[in-house]
Amino acid sequence: QKEVEQNSGPLSVPEGAIASLNCTYSDRGSQSFFWYRQYSGKSPELIMFIYSNGDKEDGRFTAQLNKASQYVSLLIRDSQPSDSATYLCAVVLTGGGNKLTFGTGTQLKVEL
Amino acid sequence: DAEITQSPRHKITETGRQVTLACHQTWNHNNMFWYRQDLGHGLRLIHYSYGVQDTNKGEVSDGYSVSRSNTEDLPLTLESAASSQTSVYFCASSDSGDTQYFGPGTRLTVL
Repeated sequence: QKEVEQNSGPLSVPEGAIASLNCTYSDRGSQSFFWYRQYSGKSPELIMFIYSNGDKEDGRFTAQLNKASQYVSLLIRDSQPSDSATYLCAVVLTGGGNKLTFGTGTQLKVEL
Repeated sequence: DAEITQSPRHKITETGRQVTLACHQTWNHNNMFWYRQDLGHGLRLIHYSYGVQDTNKGEVSDGYSVSRSNTEDLPLTLESAASSQTSVYFCASSDSGDTQYFGPGTRLTVL
């Protein structure tokens, strides 16, 4: 079992819809969770981080964390073509210090 | 503005040659990291450092080395480049916390 798992996609959504990206992790003791966006040929860019159970909103983005079920989600409201990218989930595992363990990413395509 | 830079951005080398990739950050961050990114594998940690003179191996450290002589720089050296090391390499840094910021990347091709 991989430590951080994401569906590779592509996930296709129409413009204006809500895109829902999911990530599961195996280490129940994980405390810190991150979402990065990566455009093709570019470096990962931090979107959000979340530490506590529940929802955290930032503009069109909402991160949702459920530690009991060991998943973290990213919702993108009013999806735009410019949101088309690969979204990487990253987790700090127990005893991992400041190291991030990444999933392989989900490709999102927002279609006109 | 504070930033993190990598050089070169593209490099082609031959099998067996020594290659050094540079990473420089001006945020004064203590923590620096090197990753490689390959299709199907995502980002994998090569080496990391939590401060000057501190270096640690990540999950894919074989064939790579790093040294940290100052806060700003963490060069990554491939002692004897192999075709399996063809990849995109990213450097990242963070302050005392775990939020990492990435450099623009170096695309390395080993022929």
